[in-house]
Amino acid sequence: DAGVIQSPRHEVTEMGQEVTLRCKPISGHNSLFWYRQTMMRGLELLIYFNNNVPIDDSGMPEDRFSAKMPNASFSTLKIQPSEPRDSAVYFCASSYGTGGLRYLMNTEAFFGQGTRLTVV
Amino acid sequence: EDQVTQSPEALRLQEGESSSLNCSYTVSGLRGLFWYRQDPGKGPEFLFTLYSAGEEKEKERLKATLTKKESFLHITAPKPEDSATYLCAVRRAQGGSEKLVFGKGMKLTVNP
Repeated sequence: DAGVIQSPRHEVTEMGQEVTLRCKPISGHNSLFWYRQTMMRGLELLIYFNNNVPIDDSGMPEDRFSAKMPNASFSTLKIQPSEPRDSAVYFCASSYGTGGLRYLMNTEAFFGQGTRLTVV
Repeated sequence: EDQVTQSPEALRLQEGESSSLNCSYTVSGLRGLFWYRQDPGKGPEFLFTLYSAGEEKEKERLKATLTKKESFLHITAPKPEDSATYLCAVRRAQGGSEKLVFGKGMKLTVNP
């Protein structure tokens, strides 16, 4: 398997522009996570899907951020409008979750290479 | 509030000089403690999962151990290729789901 695939690897955009980050999880995995990494705050979970359904979006900073998972092999994280403080490395990760919505438990997560976002 | 604290923040070792990295945690409903390795410009790479106090796991020069309050990552006779940032994370129950909370990492440099 090629692992978790993210695109683009680097994105430089101007403040106010829309940014879309893309992720293809590992085939067979049914949980997908979006993380943001900065020097100050480390790795923070933004949103987590299981079986294409958002389970926990409490980490999404504000309404400018949105995420979708239209099918089991693709997810997007969109920022509109982007701001300089959104500059960070965004990681997508996937794992296999079982137990249903009441007792969901995941195997270890495998991460993509990340997208380095710079908003100027 | 969940807390994961890694120490030291950075560590420099000479090749062959063994040491340990510490991850202390405060979490309710622990569902596993994870160690990851992250190289510059790359995503975290999974190393170990520990589930209960007293559990140990090994991989090459690395051994991870777990108590009720902390985990150690022991590095025996490190080599320069072990240089990386090591991340600790705890998974806890949250409602019917779960959440992974990461520490800020520990940057290890092994000099030849």
